[in-house]
Amino acid sequence: NAGVTQTPKFRVLKTGQSMTLLCAQDMNHEYMYWYRQDPGMGLRLIHYSVGEGTTAKGEVPDGYNVSRLKKQNFLLGLESAAPSQTSVYFCASSDRTKELFFGEGSRLTVL
Amino acid sequence: GNSVTQMEGPVTLSEEAFLTINCTYTATGYPSLFWYVQYPGEGLQLLLKATKADDKGSNKGFEATYRKETTSFHLEKGSVQVSDSAVYFCALETRDFGNEKLTFGTGTRLTIIP
Repeated sequence: NAGVTQTPKFRVLKTGQSMTLLCAQDMNHEYMYWYRQDPGMGLRLIHYSVGEGTTAKGEVPDGYNVSRLKKQNFLLGLESAAPSQTSVYFCASSDRTKELFFGEGSRLTVL
Repeated sequence: GNSVTQMEGPVTLSEEAFLTINCTYTATGYPSLFWYVQYPGEGLQLLLKATKADDKGSNKGFEATYRKETTSFHLEKGSVQVSDSAVYFCALETRDFGNEKLTFGTGTRLTIIP
């Protein structure tokens, strides 16, 4: 019962470094999402995808890029990390019923 | 645009107390409404949902009714347990250039004391 798997679970970066978070789902879902969770802010949508090869901007897309080359994978990239990107990142997937299935989160610290 | 406003936390209750967490929404049309729960160290998971006005969603003793007249979707439970300690998020469906996605509230942290 894998569901939604995020890697890595923890990462520490220095300002200006780059990294990629990987999300994989095994439920054949069309929709995939990247959210960030910050204290007092709830979950904010960064980018999302409605199908293989498609991506769209969410509420807070600046400083992030995404790709959906395969239906089961959704990658979130930070080209030049900043301390403001310190957060917990959650990937989710869904079909058209809109029940989102979430991964366990990836905690990123940017020094 | 569509948005949700949740009761500010944290909320601390004794075991077997009655729980209400308020959620109100602003939306065009009649979007589906959801409550998600996040247990410590985990991702969010769906608790219940309602897809149209007057619908009642229920699960694990929790209930919420879609009230169009008050634009609300308050979460209730008659007798809480220590295991209900978690963060609860209200969410609504939002349509963005034909694509549907969820907009979440800020979350309400609930702690139940034995």
